[in-house]
Amino acid sequence: AQSVTQLGSHVSVSEGALVLLRCNYSSSVPPYLFWYVQYPNQGLQLLLKYTTGATLVKGINGFEAEFKKSETSFHLTKPSAHMSDAAEYFCAWMDSSYKLIFGSGTRLLVRP
Amino acid sequence: NAGVTQTPKFRVLKTGQSMTLLCAQDMNHEYMYWYRQDPGMGLRLIHYSVGEGTTAKGEVPDGYNVSRLKKQNFLLGLESAAPSQTSVYFCASSAPGLAVMGQFFGPGTRLTVL
Repeated sequence: AQSVTQLGSHVSVSEGALVLLRCNYSSSVPPYLFWYVQYPNQGLQLLLKYTTGATLVKGINGFEAEFKKSETSFHLTKPSAHMSDAAEYFCAWMDSSYKLIFGSGTRLLVRP
Repeated sequence: NAGVTQTPKFRVLKTGQSMTLLCAQDMNHEYMYWYRQDPGMGLRLIHYSVGEGTTAKGEVPDGYNVSRLKKQNFLLGLESAAPSQTSVYFCASSAPGLAVMGQFFGPGTRLTVL
């Protein structure tokens, strides 16, 4: 079965430090990959997506992710964390019938 | 343009009670989805619909039923609630042809079953 794995249920960084949230997928077909962010008591908001083309994808709020087929990875990064980035982040893979398979999520904590 | 809305926002049920969660979208999307979110498990698909009058089972459909009588609405029903159904429920929608652009999510319904 296809799956998405997010390493680390919690990641803590200092304000201004690099943010790296890891996502690996298992798929035998070219994937469509997404990162969503969930702020407390809110729904999910799309951060960025990879469908085809450029493997480095830029999203909102300064986030970007790189699709690496050889590593089956789609890690999310941001050069400098801000307090407002504290949230839960979900990586997701879209199957051929447009259903999303989500990872278990990573909660990002930003220390002042 | 409200996007995806969910009613109610919060609900407490006793075991065995029934209820219906309503999802409405004003983006004329064909596809609609119901997920449940539990700590440490991400979002899991309960049921989905690819058009008015059609529904299909997702990953965790047991104990739930759905209906899509109107294109803009997708209802999730619990006939006999159980404590294991305590969760946050999210509705989402997307458009065919644009589905690879991702799904649009509602704000969620927090359900507690005692």
